[in-house]
Amino acid sequence: DTAVSQTPKYLVTQMGNDKSIKCEQNLGHDTMYWYKQDSKKFLKIMFSYNNKELIINETVPNRFSPKSPDKAHLNLHINSLELGDSAVYFCASSLRTGGNEKLFFGSGTQLSVL
Amino acid sequence: DQQVKQNSPSLSVQEGRISILNCDYTNSMFDYFLWYKKYPAEGPTFLISISSIKDKNEDGRFTVFLNKSAKHLSLHIVPSQPGDSAVYFCAAWDTNAGKSTFGDGTTLTVKP
Repeated sequence: DTAVSQTPKYLVTQMGNDKSIKCEQNLGHDTMYWYKQDSKKFLKIMFSYNNKELIINETVPNRFSPKSPDKAHLNLHINSLELGDSAVYFCASSLRTGGNEKLFFGSGTQLSVL
Repeated sequence: DQQVKQNSPSLSVQEGRISILNCDYTNSMFDYFLWYKKYPAEGPTFLISISSIKDKNEDGRFTVFLNKSAKHLSLHIVPSQPGDSAVYFCAAWDTNAGKSTFGDGTTLTVKP
């Protein structure tokens, strides 16, 4: 059973389109994240949700809108896609313990904007 | 401002030898430091961590050392195996900020 699953794995689309990436975790975790890995290989946090509430928004353009319908799901919707949005997007989850926060990652969504 | 840096983009070692991966940080508020391993087309997976109040943590072939005064940590893998070939990310957890900050990774190649 996959602990953190995200779909689709690959997403190729044209500039200006709107697309969504879905993420689900079956670990019983209370916190979920979206990370972006760009061409320089940095893993940079975009959003964090704890119990369905947004707690971190790292100056991400408002074309990116996360939605958490429940603790086990965190989806990412992207409007008006731009070339610079091309990257690998990772969903992750953790159990907020107040320390030593281990992240469990999905396998990533490779987004290519043409 | 890159708060976590891994200055070696790549490292190549012979099977059976020691692999040493390094990481430097600038923010003294970090509480925990973690290492993640990533294979191609997969997400990073947790490997080992260390609290900021410790200077060493060992788990099998993997040992992490923390030098707080130098704001430096390292991951030692002994003995290295071909299956250890992957990208290794150093990460630092800030409890107050509620997030982990990642380095840009070191690609380890272990040659048989």
